Amino acid sequence: AQKITQTQPGMFVQEKEAVTLDCTYDTSDQSYGLFWYKQPSSGEMIFLIYQGSYDEQNATEGRYSLNFQKARKSANLVISASQLGDSAMYFCAMREPPNQAGTALIFGKGTTLSVSS
Amino acid sequence: GAGVSQTPSNKVTEKGKYVELRCDPISGHTALYWYRQSLGQGPEFLIYFQGTGAADDSGLPNDRFFAVRPEGSVSTLKIQRTERGDSAVYLCASSLMGTSGAESGANVLTFGAGSRLTVL
Repeated sequence: AQKITQTQPGMFVQEKEAVTLDCTYDTSDQSYGLFWYKQPSSGEMIFLIYQGSYDEQNATEGRYSLNFQKARKSANLVISASQLGDSAMYFCAMREPPNQAGTALIFGKGTTLSVSS
Repeated sequence: GAGVSQTPSNKVTEKGKYVELRCDPISGHTALYWYRQSLGQGPEFLIYFQGTGAADDSGLPNDRFFAVRPEGSVSTLKIQRTERGDSAVYLCASSLMGTSGAESGANVLTFGAGSRLTVL
């Protein structure tokens, strides 16, 4: 089973509108971390926001907020007041507890966001 | 350095050749990760180093792939007998540590710009 599921291959929004990008995850662990990264056409992965499984408050970073619903195992990214520069691929990722080996992130397949004027 | 540096940015090679991709992490970052990203897909984990040792190489697809980090900083991903299916962008990332709890945000991964490998 996929660990991270992003069901929206593409999303379209107009400038200044808010948009929600969906992410559900699958884990049996109590301790885990959830991340969102942005990948513009240049290819570099840019960290946006993080939510820990024990955090009671939803994470916020400027125009980004993470709608964390633990019981539903969802961690949706909300972008308020979209800008043209927000057009990019967005990836949800999860880190599970470190095993003997390490703590690499597992990524979803991504959602392409297109912002129009 | 200020960011994660990867070289070459583009590499075109012929099937069967040997390729090396280099990653120079952020100074002081002890954890280093290699990922592979195919077109339209999310990054796929390959290998993770904590210091000089490969802490997790479970993502390496087969024994043609190998990575080293001899002095705990720069890492080289080595691909032998390249195949057309190896064509992808190879991403390197580093973080300050790799061993704190999974729920901690302390170990955000910072990625390089990637090395695009094309096998003809």
